[in-house]
Amino acid sequence: GAGVSQSPSNKVTEKGKDVELRCDPISGHTALYWYRQSLGQGLEFLIYFQGNSAPDKSGLPSDRFSAERTGGSVSTLTIQRTQQEDSAVYLCASSLSLAPGFAFFGQGTRLTVV
Amino acid sequence: KNEVEQSPQNLTAQEGEFITINCSYSVGISALHWLQQHPGGGIVSLFMLSSGKKKHGRLIATINIQEKHSSLHITASHPRDSAVYICAVRSGGGADGLTFGKGTHLIIQP
Repeated sequence: GAGVSQSPSNKVTEKGKDVELRCDPISGHTALYWYRQSLGQGLEFLIYFQGNSAPDKSGLPSDRFSAERTGGSVSTLTIQRTQQEDSAVYLCASSLSLAPGFAFFGQGTRLTVV
Repeated sequence: KNEVEQSPQNLTAQEGEFITINCSYSVGISALHWLQQHPGGGIVSLFMLSSGKKKHGRLIATINIQEKHSSLHITASHPRDSAVYICAVRSGGGADGLTFGKGTHLIIQP
């Protein structure tokens, strides 16, 4: 597609379950970012992939969060043993390169943990 | 770590008014973005700046590198401009992606 695609758009899950969120970046974009926006909060950086380099995981809030990017394209963000505080909109963005990179955002996945 | 401050946090104005939203940051950057987040949650990139000024339609973005400050202006504001406007900066090599301000919630009343 022409833009960054995320799925699902909405996800309701029970506390303690694992969830997987998917991001399809724009074709050819080597940089991919995951962000989280909790209710009433600003955007929070989670993890960043650049080409084949080891990802920068410095923003992941706990070891329940992990992400991978297969073949340098599609990325999956996995949250294990979800907690209510994980409820947020999870946004994916991609860009051609680090600098002067212009990041394009997906529409996000709204995760609700009940 | 770069600190990004936006002001005001909330702004309500009448249709037609000239709007200014400010963003300041603490550490030198390689690029600054202005983003618009619609009530439905979707985010649109408005501008990317590294110096000077850019204009797109009724939107104008400026940046002063020496003062570590950027402004987003909206001329002849319209109710459809109502959204959250977010400033985001990329520092140096950008290994931490973008650092975001908390956003400015703008409401334009008819």
